[in-house]
Amino acid sequence: EAGVAQSPRYKIIEKRQSVAFWCNPISGHATLYWYQQILGQGPKLLIQFQNNGVVDDSQLPKDRFSAERLKGVDSTLKIQPAKLEDSAVYLCASSSSWGERNTIYFGEGSWLTVV
Amino acid sequence: AQTVTQSQPEMSVQEAETVTLSCTYDTSESDYYLFWYKQPPSRQMILVIRQEAYKQQNATENRFSVNFQKAAKSFSLKISDSQLGDAAMYFCAYRSYNNNDMRFGAGTRLTVKP
Repeated sequence: EAGVAQSPRYKIIEKRQSVAFWCNPISGHATLYWYQQILGQGPKLLIQFQNNGVVDDSQLPKDRFSAERLKGVDSTLKIQPAKLEDSAVYLCASSSSWGERNTIYFGEGSWLTVV
Repeated sequence: AQTVTQSQPEMSVQEAETVTLSCTYDTSESDYYLFWYKQPPSRQMILVIRQEAYKQQNATENRFSVNFQKAAKSFSLKISDSQLGDAAMYFCAYRSYNNNDMRFGAGTRLTVKP
């Protein structure tokens, strides 16, 4: 079974530029998450989708971050304009609505450096 | 809100020895899930072990086992026969029964000495 796919793996941009990250969850997983992990910290949830609807985006900085999951499968996270403090690993994850519904599976992450 | 605390920023263990990583959490819920994830330098979060709060029996996965103390809100991870490949960051995580997001601790960096 294929895991959670993310791209690009690495991105370096200048502050005030924009960047987009793509995620394809495990096949059949209805719930998709975007986490931000700053160096030295645990992951922090940015947004959670159930199919193509938003369940929780309370910690998403909506003035600069946006995310969509239009067809209920893959998702895009965008940052515009980027700030230095956005340098982090952006982890996409997914979970099933049945079976092992309590377990979240993570992708390899997209590393962002803002200079 | 639920919080997860890992009080050991760093731990080290000799190869083949046993090490225990500590985790405590704060919640008012009775049903929830607890997890330990391993994060190597590649930064991918790999599930090590999970525990359902309603189960009294401690979860075990090969060399990994937990000591779940529900009343004390404690969830420690024991790694037996430590291997060089066990070196990584380890994160304890809590998830509500109603599938809200997962709350992570700050992590413990485990070093395995040959």
